Amino acid sequence: DAGVTQSPTHLIKTRGQQVTLRCSPKSGHDTVSWYQQALGQGPQFIFQYYEEEERQRGNFPDRFSGHQFPNYSSELNVNALLLGDSALYLCASSWGTGYSNEQFFGPGTRLTVL
Amino acid sequence: AQRVTQPEKLLSVFKGAPVELKCNYSYSGSPELFWYVQYSRQRLQLLLRHISRESIKGFTADLNKGETSFHLKKPFAQEEDSAMYYCALSALTRGNEKLTFGTGTRLTIIP
Repeated sequence: DAGVTQSPTHLIKTRGQQVTLRCSPKSGHDTVSWYQQALGQGPQFIFQYYEEEERQRGNFPDRFSGHQFPNYSSELNVNALLLGDSALYLCASSWGTGYSNEQFFGPGTRLTVL
Repeated sequence: AQRVTQPEKLLSVFKGAPVELKCNYSYSGSPELFWYVQYSRQRLQLLLRHISRESIKGFTADLNKGETSFHLKKPFAQEEDSAMYYCALSALTRGNEKLTFGTGTRLTIIP
């Protein structure tokens, strides 16, 4: 099991563009959470998907949207990119949504907005 | 609102000396606390959580509700403990189990 995988590894975009990041959860997991980690900061929760629905959302604007597919993989979409969106985007998967269910993190996608 | 504070960005400790990484939290309800670790060139991973009451790799952490703290401790530091450590909080309420992370502490063990 490769664990949680994310693609692409790195991405460079310009302001105003749109980006899609992808995540495949660990085998047997059905819940995917997305985090943004700016330089020098801890991961910040964006949203969580379970049963193909957004279950929880952090303090991020509507420019950030997501999707979960029937095979539990997930996408994070960011529209109208801003310079401040430059960050490492982490995906984490778990079995179920409860606090006691360990979240396993992927290696992240480094997004640079110019 | 949930908030996690890690006051030390950097911490250097000699090998064999005790280690304490500080974590304070702010949350009006009942929290679950976690420590995550990221070793060099590896992904973020769970080190330990309060609910398990375990000692992992010699590390322990005690939840002090009076001081709203969850400090991470190890009596004798080892070189392989050098890493980035993040304290995180989750609410014990259904539908609000998101993880709130602190800004992290980079621990360096001096040989």
